[in-house]
Amino acid sequence: GENVEQHPSTLSVQEGDSAVIKCTYSDSASNYFPWYKQELGKGPQLIIDIRSNVGEKKDQRIAVTLNKTAKHFSLHITETQPEDSAVYFCAASKGGSYIPTFGRGTSLIVHP
Amino acid sequence: DSGVTQTPKHLITATGQRVTLRCSPRSGDLSVYWYQQSLDQGLQFLIQYYNGEERAKGNILERFSAQQFPDLHSELNLSSLELGDSALYFCASSVGGRLAADTQYFGPGTRLTVL
Repeated sequence: GENVEQHPSTLSVQEGDSAVIKCTYSDSASNYFPWYKQELGKGPQLIIDIRSNVGEKKDQRIAVTLNKTAKHFSLHITETQPEDSAVYFCAASKGGSYIPTFGRGTSLIVHP
Repeated sequence: DSGVTQTPKHLITATGQRVTLRCSPRSGDLSVYWYQQSLDQGLQFLIQYYNGEERAKGNILERFSAQQFPDLHSELNLSSLELGDSALYFCASSVGGRLAADTQYFGPGTRLTVL
């Protein structure tokens, strides 16, 4: 089955800095990679996703890059703000199996 | 707001008891997924239903069961509860039924505490 590794487990940055979270996956057939943000006491919220037919996708301060050859994808947050503090999860899935495999999560702390 | 609703928000019960968690998917979504989240296990997939039928099973204990009703809401039943069942339980929904991988939208969760 699919295995998703996520690093780092904790990331501490100063407000205004950039933050990068990396994930690797094992199943080369995986073709859909969502990222979720989970704030304390809330459910995971989709913030951005990418499919395997593109290498990069941006949405304001958030971007995701995908390297299919190396089987890794990354979340980039620029100009971080205290409200970006949360746990971020990456996931990988493929058509035909709707069950994503999640990474263990990264706790992002943005210091004002 | 994802459009997925879950009730109750909190549930406190005793060992050996049985509880039912309820989920209403987003309008138009046919697939419902249940997840368990604990500190040491991360997000664990339990079970998926698509249009009333069980589609996939994950790490779901035999003491747990689920169903999806004709109106597409779903219930997760947890019985003979143990202390270790204390966790956050999330429901997610997606359109489902397509060949391409689906986007899942999560509800706010039910926090279960077993004393």
